[in-house]
Amino acid sequence: DADVTQTPRNRITKTGKRIMLECSQTKGHDRMYWYRQDPGLGLRLIYYSFDVKDINKGEISDGYSVSRQAQAKFSLSLESAIPNQTALYFCATSDSTGGTYNEQFFGPGTRLTVL
Amino acid sequence: RKEVEQDPGPFNVPEGATVAFNCTYSNSASQSFFWYRQDCRKEPKLLMSVYSSGNEDGRFTAQLNRASQYISLLIRDSKLSDSATYLCVVTNNNAGNMLTFGGGTRLMVKP
Repeated sequence: DADVTQTPRNRITKTGKRIMLECSQTKGHDRMYWYRQDPGLGLRLIYYSFDVKDINKGEISDGYSVSRQAQAKFSLSLESAIPNQTALYFCATSDSTGGTYNEQFFGPGTRLTVL
Repeated sequence: RKEVEQDPGPFNVPEGATVAFNCTYSNSASQSFFWYRQDCRKEPKLLMSVYSSGNEDGRFTAQLNRASQYISLLIRDSKLSDSATYLCVVTNNNAGNMLTFGGGTRLMVKP
């Protein structure tokens, strides 16, 4: 089984709808992240969480919110989806121990289309 | 200007060729450097870290030039399976070592 899972894998929705993307991990990591990827722009950080009570905005948090329900779960919400939120969304996890940098492990991604 | 810049490619090379990608970064405070690989429609995965002294992992060699703020990846004896997008990634010690990604360089290895 995959260590980092995302649901749904694909979603098509309409402008104005509320959407929730979910991420779960079995790696036991304390840090979790949400990114979006647009063609040619690389991955950009939306929100990140270093533990259950910690939530931080990333580079492009406007229009998004998150919830860290448990160490293993981190969900991303679009309260009122708009077409320019059409993108590939990745969840990632990392461990805070072991040095100044710890590898991030990514989920398989959610392809979201907002019509 | 993007913080991490890469030539998007695609680089089309025959099997067995040697190919090199460069990446430039603008933040001189950047501390750590990496290459991630991303297959089409898949998640990124760490390929290798990049050290100041240069490092090699099989057919892959990574180099860092802090003075000029660029990172390179050399792939020798290209295989069909090397076809992917290669993402240049940097971190700095602010805000918990957040990763900053380049837009990626696409490599296509042809038979």
